[in-house]
Amino acid sequence: QKEVEQDPGPLSVPEGAIVSLNCTYSNSAFQYFMWYRQYSRKGPELLMYTYSSGNKEDGRFTAQVDKSSKYISLFIRDSQPSDSATYLCAMSSSWGKFQFGAGTQVVVTP
Amino acid sequence: DSGVTQTPKHLITATGQRVTLRCSPRSGDLSVYWYQQSLDQGLQFLIQYYNGEERAKGNILERFSAQQFPDLHSELNLSSLELGDSALYFCASSVDTENTGELFFGEGSRLTVL
Repeated sequence: QKEVEQDPGPLSVPEGAIVSLNCTYSNSAFQYFMWYRQYSRKGPELLMYTYSSGNKEDGRFTAQVDKSSKYISLFIRDSQPSDSATYLCAMSSSWGKFQFGAGTQVVVTP
Repeated sequence: DSGVTQTPKHLITATGQRVTLRCSPRSGDLSVYWYQQSLDQGLQFLIQYYNGEERAKGNILERFSAQQFPDLHSELNLSSLELGDSALYFCASSVDTENTGELFFGEGSRLTVL
């Protein structure tokens, strides 16, 4: 069993809808949580970073961490076609050795 | 542009061969990370170097090795290549402080083993 599980999708939503993404994990020692966006043939770029539990909001993006359930989420409000990409969750118990989810492909249709 | 430079962008080689991938981190970043991304495995952490020293090791095969040089650039050496080594190899760098939480990724080196 993988330490980090993420539904590969694809997840198709109409423009303007809320995109809801999530990852589950098994290692209770994870305390650093990140969401990355990866466009085709490009390197991943950081969207959100959360240390330990709680919520974090940045513009249209909201990240949630529920350590008791070993579950993290990313919400994208007012989705745009430019949000079409693969979204990767990443987490670590100590700084550096990050474990990534397989990524969820998101398609936002005009 | 993340500021992380990887060369070559594409590489095609044969089984049994050896290749070297190069990474220049962002100016000021002391940590370099190597990741392998394949279709069926996602992004797999290989190894991390901090200021020239190995800091963390992931699922890196014995046929693979890496090092970070005094000027902080890093090289990933892949030897006795197999078909299954075909993948995108990403390098990332960070300042290595817990406050930033950001890994900056390069564009990757796409390796095809025939």
